[in-house]
Amino acid sequence: QKEVEQNSGPLSVPEGAIASLNCTYSDRGSQSFFWYRQYSGKSPELIMFIYSNGDKEDGRFTAQLNKASQYVSLLIRDSQPSDSATYLCAFDTGTASKLTFGTGTRLQVTL
Amino acid sequence: EAGVAQSPRYKIIEKRQSVAFWCNPISGHATLYWYQQILGQGPKLLIQFQNNGVVDDSQLPKDRFSAERLKGVDSTLKIQPAKLEDSAVYLCASRGGGNIQYFGAGTRLSVL
Repeated sequence: QKEVEQNSGPLSVPEGAIASLNCTYSDRGSQSFFWYRQYSGKSPELIMFIYSNGDKEDGRFTAQLNKASQYVSLLIRDSQPSDSATYLCAFDTGTASKLTFGTGTRLQVTL
Repeated sequence: EAGVAQSPRYKIIEKRQSVAFWCNPISGHATLYWYQQILGQGPKLLIQFQNNGVVDDSQLPKDRFSAERLKGVDSTLKIQPAKLEDSAVYLCASRGGGNIQYFGAGTRLSVL
């Protein structure tokens, strides 16, 4: 079983819609969860992180964590063409701040 | 604040040749990471340094890969000899007192 599972996509949403990106993880010791955005040919850029169960909002982005279900998601409201990128989910067990990444979900926001 | 610096940005070599990548972390960041990102995959940790000591190198192919972080600042990652499957982007990241890792622009390696 892979440590982090993400649907590779592409996930296509129209401009202005809500994009929902999902991630499941297998390590119950995971403590911190991160969403990175990666444009083609560029390095990963942190979007959000979340530690506690529930929702965390930052502008158009909302991260949702459910530790019981080992599930973390990222919602992007009012999606823009500039949001078109690959979104990487990662977790950190906290013991050495080592990140384990998923394979990423490619998001396409269409006009 | 300057970000993580990496060089070169691109490198093309033939198999069995050697190659080295350089990384300078954000000033004051004690923790430095090297990741390998193969096309279509997420980054995979190769090695983690805390100051000039190795914290985790469990996924580093030690028969051909080596890394050092002399003086606890900048770091080099070397591959000798390179194989076709080493073609990837090599990302360096650094972390300060929090748990956020900041990535450099990466070095894209093509092994022919």
